[in-house]
Formats: sequence, C-alpha cells, structure tokens
Amino acid sequence: EIVLTQSPGTLSLSPGERATLSCRASQSVSSNYLAWYQQKAGQAPRLLIYAASSRATGIPDRFSGSGSGTDFTLTIRRLEPEDFAVYYCQQYGRSPPFAFGQGTKLEIK
Amino acid sequence: ELQLLESGGGLVQPGGSLRLSCTASGFTFSDYAMNWVRQAPGKGLEWVSSIGGPGDDTQYADSVKGRFTISRDNSKNILHLQMNSLRADDTAVYYCAKDGHARNGIWDWFDPWGQGTLVTVSS
Repeated sequence: EIVLTQSPGTLSLSPGERATLSCRASQSVSSNYLAWYQQKAGQAPRLLIYAASSRATGIPDRFSGSGSGTDFTLTIRRLEPEDFAVYYCQQYGRSPPFAFGQGTKLEIK
Repeated sequence: ELQLLESGGGLVQPGGSLRLSCTASGFTFSDYAMNWVRQAPGKGLEWVSSIGGPGDDTQYADSVKGRFTISRDNSKNILHLQMNSLRADDTAVYYCAKDGHARNGIWDWFDPWGQGTLVTVSS
C-alpha cells in the first residue's frame, strides 16, 4: 500500500509569488499515475494535473506538475488570489487503495 | 454538460444503514469506472470505493470493506453506495467521481466530482 506524504502542511505566500508543493510516495508510483486536486472551502475537489505532469482541461498554464518515482511536485507560478486553497495529491493505477496525501493548505501571507 | 448529482445523505444512528445515489448525465455512463470518496469534517480526502464500467469489478478501502457495497445501474445512469453498520467515524461528506479516462485494467484519476452529500452518524 502506497502512502503519500505532502509537504509543507501549510504554505503562506503572497499573490504573485511562486508556490512549490511536494508529494512523496512511500514506494514508487507506477507509470507516474499521480494526480493533483485543488479544493476550495465548501466546494468539491477539482482535478488539476494527471499522469504527474498533464494539465487537465481548462486549467491555467501557471499550474504545472513534475516528478517521477517517489517524488512529485506541483508548481504554481505567479499566484492569483483564487489559487489559495487546499491541494491534494493522489495515486491511482492498477491496485487500490487509491490513496490521497493529507493535503497542503496554501494561504495568503 | 457532464454532471454528477449525489443524494441520500442524512442523519442516521450508529449501527444503521443508508443508501447513497449518484445520478450521472452528459457522458456514456457505462464506459467509465466510478468512485466514492469521503471527507470527514475538517479532514482530508479518503478514497472509499470504486466500480468498473460493467459493474463486475469492485474495490473497497479496508475501513469500509464488509460494511459498504458499491453498485451501479447502467440502464439508469446511477451509482449507489449501500452503507451498513454505520459508525460515528463514517460521518463525512461523500463525493462521487467519474474516472477521468475509459480504459480497461487501469483505475484512473477522478474527474469530475459531484457536489457531495453529508452523512452524519450520531445518536
């Protein structure tokens, strides 16, 4: 069973800054089956990135994903006010459980 | 427009049962695996269960195995989650989500998600 650990737990930045969020897996994620979601307060999660680096439809290009194996990163360049939310990584693929990380809260500094 | 609409949540006593439904529209329902994910108040996301497009392959988190049953009616485009022997720690918003890609042998990312339905287990 793969365990995903996200860091930091909370990230305090200002609009216009660059955000770097980390997701580390306890074992290698096969075929880079790693997704990132954004969740705003009171809303359902929204897919941002799948297959570690592919942007979902309609997601601005300031969002990018990278990484492979056990270390993955979500980068948001030039933060916009609407980007402040909680972000989750998730592994998927051939074998459940399809675990989520515990989340990183991106807050306004 | 692709849409997922959950229903069936509410207040139930410990040990009780509840059946959640998720009505889908805007896509060929039977082509896609479907999923349930829950979120306890103030907590993170927890995958609960998944079912393949035809309905013959089901997966469960250990925390709900033996108590919850996922099913689907492809003729009506509805996904269900039958929840029995409910406990206080099952209290959460339950989301249904569609697999992001229709392919055999791989469980894919979740996209999109419904708005969720709240289940409260309390006496």
